[in-house]
Amino acid sequence: GAVVSQHPSWVICKSGTSVKIECRSLDFQATTMFWYRQFPKQSLMLMATSNEGSKATYEQGVEKDKFLINHASLTLSTLTVTSAHPEDSSFYICSASSWNTGGMGSPLHFGNGTRLTVT
Amino acid sequence: TQLLEQSPQFLSIQEGENLTVYCNSSSVFSSLQWYRQEPGEGPVLLVTVVTGGEVKKLKRLTFQFGDARKDSSLHITAAQPGDTGLYLCAGVRTNAGKSTFGDGTTLTVKP
Repeated sequence: GAVVSQHPSWVICKSGTSVKIECRSLDFQATTMFWYRQFPKQSLMLMATSNEGSKATYEQGVEKDKFLINHASLTLSTLTVTSAHPEDSSFYICSASSWNTGGMGSPLHFGNGTRLTVT
Repeated sequence: TQLLEQSPQFLSIQEGENLTVYCNSSSVFSSLQWYRQEPGEGPVLLVTVVTGGEVKKLKRLTFQFGDARKDSSLHITAAQPGDTGLYLCAGVRTNAGKSTFGDGTTLTVKP
């Protein structure tokens, strides 16, 4: 089955620093990847849609300059949390779709998430 | 307004009991997925339904897609502690380009 690898699984950083999270599709090409934020016992909140070779589409209320997304290849998307603050502490999850091969009904394949703690 | 209403939000039951989780919307979806997520991990796909009225079974789990493709349900028979987790429904609207997630149902099955 399709595998999505997300790295790192957890990171602790100091306030004001930047953190990069990687999301890779290991055995399929993903023209579209999605980035989510999740709070404890809550559902996924879509932050942005990452399209290979073009600018990401951000959801309303998500700061583009704070959450930088780069989708440089068909297998890699990165999310950089710039100038992180304690309120950015959260569980960040990426997903990739094989919609380009399986059509719109194809399910999402998720990474295992990154637990970010900003001190 | 939440596009996908999922209920109940929390459910705590004893091992062996049955339960049903509902996912409702006023919108039509071209497909709908159910995922299960354990703490500290990403969601894992359980099933995809695409045809109105479709019923799929996965061992003790039964998934149904409404005739009008606006709602879905997940029924678990004889729940086990290993079923504990966050269950998420997600719908894809035609040409939407992204999935819409329900609020999730946190299920706890006590031994």
